[in-house]
Amino acid sequence: GEQVEQRPPHLSVREGDSAVITCTYTDPNSYYFFWYKQEPGASLQLLMKVFSSTEINEGQGFTVLLNKKDKRLSLNLTAAHPGDSAAYFCAVKNTGYQNFYFGKGTSLTVIP
Amino acid sequence: DMKVTQMPRYLIKRMGENVLLECGQDMSHETMYWYRQDPGLGLQLIYISYDVDSNSEGDIPKGYRVSRKKREHFSLILDSAKTNQTSVYFCASSPGLGSYEQYFGPGTRLTVL
Repeated sequence: GEQVEQRPPHLSVREGDSAVITCTYTDPNSYYFFWYKQEPGASLQLLMKVFSSTEINEGQGFTVLLNKKDKRLSLNLTAAHPGDSAAYFCAVKNTGYQNFYFGKGTSLTVIP
Repeated sequence: DMKVTQMPRYLIKRMGENVLLECGQDMSHETMYWYRQDPGLGLQLIYISYDVDSNSEGDIPKGYRVSRKKREHFSLILDSAKTNQTSVYFCASSPGLGSYEQYFGPGTRLTVL
């Protein structure tokens, strides 16, 4: 089955710096890609979904890049602020199955 | 308003007791999921349900069973709970095959003493 590896497991940056979280996956048939944010004690909140037909998606304060050749998905927070402190998870899904495969998560701390 | 609910939100049980976690959704979604979340391990799929009475084991089904008698309800049952089943459990739902959306419930924090 699909294997999703997420790096780094922990990340600490200063306010205003950028933060990059990366996931690699193995199944070339993966088509849907997701980034979730989870604040302490809360559920998962969808940040962004990316389809394999797109390569760059921009949200509020972050950019998601998909490199299909390298099977790599990244989340780039361009100017982190303390409210970005949370756990972030990538998830991958292909079109043929209903399973979502999650990375193990990155705990991001933004220091004021 | 699309919603996935979970009950209870917090539960403390003793080892060997039975545990019932309930999940509901009001979107008539076909597919529902149970995950557990442990620090450093992300979300691990316990069971997936494709519709009423159509359930399939996920990656870590041992020690768990599920029941889905109505499309809107999906239960996770721990018969004789163990201390290593202490975790946060999330339920999620998805419209079905071909869909990419997944909606999460608020989670249940289970402690087995």
